[in-house]
Amino acid sequence: NAGVMQNPRHLVRRRGQEARLRCSPMKGHSHVYWYRQLPEEGLKFMVYLQKENIIDESGMPKERFSAEFPKEGPSILRIQQVVRGDSAAYFCASSPGFGTGELFFGEGSRLTVL
Amino acid sequence: TQLLEQSPQFLSIQEGENLTVYCNSSSVFSSLQWYRQEPGEGPVLLVTVVTGGEVKKLKRLTFQFGDARKDSSLHITAAQPGDTGLYLCAGAITTDSWGKLQFGAGTQVVVTP
Repeated sequence: NAGVMQNPRHLVRRRGQEARLRCSPMKGHSHVYWYRQLPEEGLKFMVYLQKENIIDESGMPKERFSAEFPKEGPSILRIQQVVRGDSAAYFCASSPGFGTGELFFGEGSRLTVL
Repeated sequence: TQLLEQSPQFLSIQEGENLTVYCNSSSVFSSLQWYRQEPGEGPVLLVTVVTGGEVKKLKRLTFQFGDARKDSSLHITAAQPGDTGLYLCAGAITTDSWGKLQFGAGTQVVVTP
C-alpha cells in the first residue's frame, strides 16, 4: 500500500508526557499537511511543510506543539507536556506539489490524554 | 467558529431515497472539495469544484458550487447503504492556500436497507 502512513494509530499519554506522531507521505510527495479533528468538530489545519521547511504554521498552537519534515524520514508532529484538551485525531495529508488539487489523507493517529 | 456550515448535521434515510447535504459560508472560496470519511479512517476526496455555478456528477452523486462561490451542495440519488458515512465539505480561501483547507463539521449520513 503506497498510501500516506501514520503511526502510531492510537497513542495514550498521561498529562505532562510527550506525544510524537509520525507521517510518511505517499511516494513522490514532498508536501505534508497536518490537521487535527476534535470530537464533534471539523478538521482544523495545523501546519504545512515541505522537505526541511515549514511553509505555514498558522494553525499550530503557540506553545508545546512543533512539526518537522526532515530531508530523510517521516514528518513528525510533536506535542510536549500534553493536556487533556490535546486528545484528538491527528491527520496527515500529502500532495505531490503545490496546487495539484488533491490531498491524500492518512488514517490518522488518535491521541488520548489521561 | 466554523467558516463553513454544513446542514443537516445528521441524516437518516431508507435505501432508494434521495438526499441533499448543504455547505454554506459568508466567505468566498477559490475552490471547494467534498470528502467522505469512514469511522477510524481519513477523509477521501470525492470531488473538487472551482468555478461558480459548476455542476459535477459522479455516478449517483451530484455536486454543485454556488454562483458566488460561497456555498455548495451534494445530492445523492437513490441512496444505497454503501453511501453511509461522514460527508465533509472543505474550501480553500485563495489559490495560494489550496492545501490549507477550511472544513465544515460534517454531515453524518446513514442509509438503512
